[in-house]
Amino acid sequence: EAAVTQSPRNKVAVTGGKVTLSCNQTNNHNNMYWYRQDTGHGLRLIHYSYGAGSTEKGDIPDGYKASRPSQENFSLILELATPSQTSVYFCASGDPGGAHAEQFFGPGTRLTVL
Amino acid sequence: QQQVRQSPQSLTVWEGETAILNCSYENSAFDYFPWYQQFPGEGPALLISILSVSNKKEDGRFTIFFNKREKKLSLHIADSQPGDSATYFCAANTGGLSGKLTFGEGTQVTVIS
Repeated sequence: EAAVTQSPRNKVAVTGGKVTLSCNQTNNHNNMYWYRQDTGHGLRLIHYSYGAGSTEKGDIPDGYKASRPSQENFSLILELATPSQTSVYFCASGDPGGAHAEQFFGPGTRLTVL
Repeated sequence: QQQVRQSPQSLTVWEGETAILNCSYENSAFDYFPWYQQFPGEGPALLISILSVSNKKEDGRFTIFFNKREKKLSLHIADSQPGDSATYFCAANTGGLSGKLTFGEGTQVTVIS
């Protein structure tokens, strides 16, 4: 059974609308991450978290918020979606103390903003 | 600015050949370099990794060669198989509790039989 799951897997949103992407992990990892993947850019870190109640800005946080209500769940929120946020979004979790720890990725959410 | 760069963008090899994927970085503080493999429709998964104290890491048909002085590393896929067709990402981090990774742009590998 998959240890990192994401929902929805596909989403079409309208410009200016609110979008929430959800992630759940059963690895019991403290750290969780949100990335977006675009051709030519690889994966870029949006937000990450050290544990429940913690959210930290990554490299490209503008236009995104994050929420970590529990150890298992980490959400990415687009309050006012724009077409430039059309992308594939990946959630990942990592081992506690994760200095050089492996990150485990979910299957991704394809978001299209019209 | 892209702190981790990969080349080529795409690579096609015959079955049985060795595929060579290149990676370079700018930040001298990077000390851990994992390579992730991604198949279409899936999330990336760790393939092999190396610490900067080593200059070579082997795992089956996959080998990382690391040159700290030149800030370069490469992934060699020996005896390439059609099942190796995927996108490969070089990544780096500096340690610390965040475990944050900086990824390169990726190399799409196609193995033809």
